[in-house]
Amino acid sequence: EIVMTQSPATLSVSPGERATLSCRASQSVSSNLAWYQQKPGQAPRLLIYGASIRATGIPARFSGSGSGTEFTLTISILQSEDFAVYYCQQYNNWPLTFGGGTKVEIK
Amino acid sequence: EVQLVESGGGLVQPGGSLRLSCAASGFTFSSYWMHWVRQAPGKGLVWVSRINSDGSSTSYADSVKGRFTISRDNAKNTLYLQMNSLRAEDTAVYYCARDHGVVADLFDYWGQGTLVTVSS
Repeated sequence: EIVMTQSPATLSVSPGERATLSCRASQSVSSNLAWYQQKPGQAPRLLIYGASIRATGIPARFSGSGSGTEFTLTISILQSEDFAVYYCQQYNNWPLTFGGGTKVEIK
Repeated sequence: EVQLVESGGGLVQPGGSLRLSCAASGFTFSSYWMHWVRQAPGKGLVWVSRINSDGSSTSYADSVKGRFTISRDNAKNTLYLQMNSLRAEDTAVYYCARDHGVVADLFDYWGQGTLVTVSS
């Protein structure tokens, strides 16, 4: 099973600043990596897939990069609605696995 | 508009059974693979099971294999998860999620979830 490790566990950022989230895979997942956003009491929402492709309707301030084992999600200018938990997920190998999440909180 | 609405969750004793349902609308249900993903209270997301579009092929996480059964009724646009021999560690919110389709094993739409609590 591929283990996905996200860091940091919590990121404190002020509105308007940039947030950089990391996700590391225990073995290569090529570019088969997705990012999801989850707000309290809500279902996850797909943000990024193919490591860098924004899903339908996702603002351009969200960007993804990386391949192989190291991935990054960047939120260029944090808006109030972006404070949430972010999960990465690999879909290169079975079973499908998620990272433990990074909580982006207001500084 | 794509909608996925789960139901069937609740409190069940260890060793008991429960059947979850997920009613789909706003898309051609019979054309999409579907998944169940769960989230224990305060924890992360864990993939549980997958079913192909006509129900002929299924996959399970090792933690539920032999205890859970995924199925679907394309005439009713409904996905199911039959959960038997439930354990305390099965306590979680269970989400149904639609497979992206073009990109396999990616979840593009999720329901709001239904809470399953396994406790005596």
